[in-house]
Amino acid sequence: GDSVTQMEGPVTLSEEAFLTINCTYTATGYPSLFWYVQYPGEGLQLLLKATKADDKGSNKGFEATYRKETTSFHLEKGSVQVSDSAVYFCALGATDSWGKLQFGAGTQVVVTP
Amino acid sequence: SAVISQKPSRDICQRGTSLTIQCQVDSQVTMMFWYRQQPGQSLTLIATANQGSEATYESGFVIDKFPISRPNLTFSTLTVSNMSPEDSSIYLCSVGDREYGNTIYFGEGSWLTVV
Repeated sequence: GDSVTQMEGPVTLSEEAFLTINCTYTATGYPSLFWYVQYPGEGLQLLLKATKADDKGSNKGFEATYRKETTSFHLEKGSVQVSDSAVYFCALGATDSWGKLQFGAGTQVVVTP
Repeated sequence: SAVISQKPSRDICQRGTSLTIQCQVDSQVTMMFWYRQQPGQSLTLIATANQGSEATYESGFVIDKFPISRPNLTFSTLTVSNMSPEDSSIYLCSVGDREYGNTIYFGEGSWLTVV
């Protein structure tokens, strides 16, 4: 079945450092891919998405490119802020049932001043 | 985008009781789903809430424990029955519609603690 593998956290960074969170997937067909963010004590917010190979999703300085050849959707940000401290989830849209999401384990990111 | 309201936002429940969580969307949507997020864990899909028919449950989740209703295209409820401490989780409603492209939106979640 479909699955998502995400790098383990916590990831601790200094402000203005470069952030990468690795995400790879296994799926039949061509799923849509998502990054969601969960700030402390809050629900889930969509950060960005990509619906086909080579698409690049971007939002709030974050980017991720849908790489079919490596089945990856790594999240990057060039200069993190303390306010980026959160848990980040990579998710895959089910190819056999539209709307259902398969989530990765989540990566906690802690940004220190 | 869709605006999703969940109630209650937080609750502390007694062991053995049941609680119903409501999910209200500001527009008609095709698909509604319920997820569970146990403490420190990722999200797991409980079921798809089907309008006018029985919900479709994922492996490991049963209707007797998590009855779901969806009377129309903007509203759904999830009941957590006969609760135990293991049911302490965040329960999240999500919605999607092809009018929103391939975007799936989530409510703020209902944070339940069972004591």
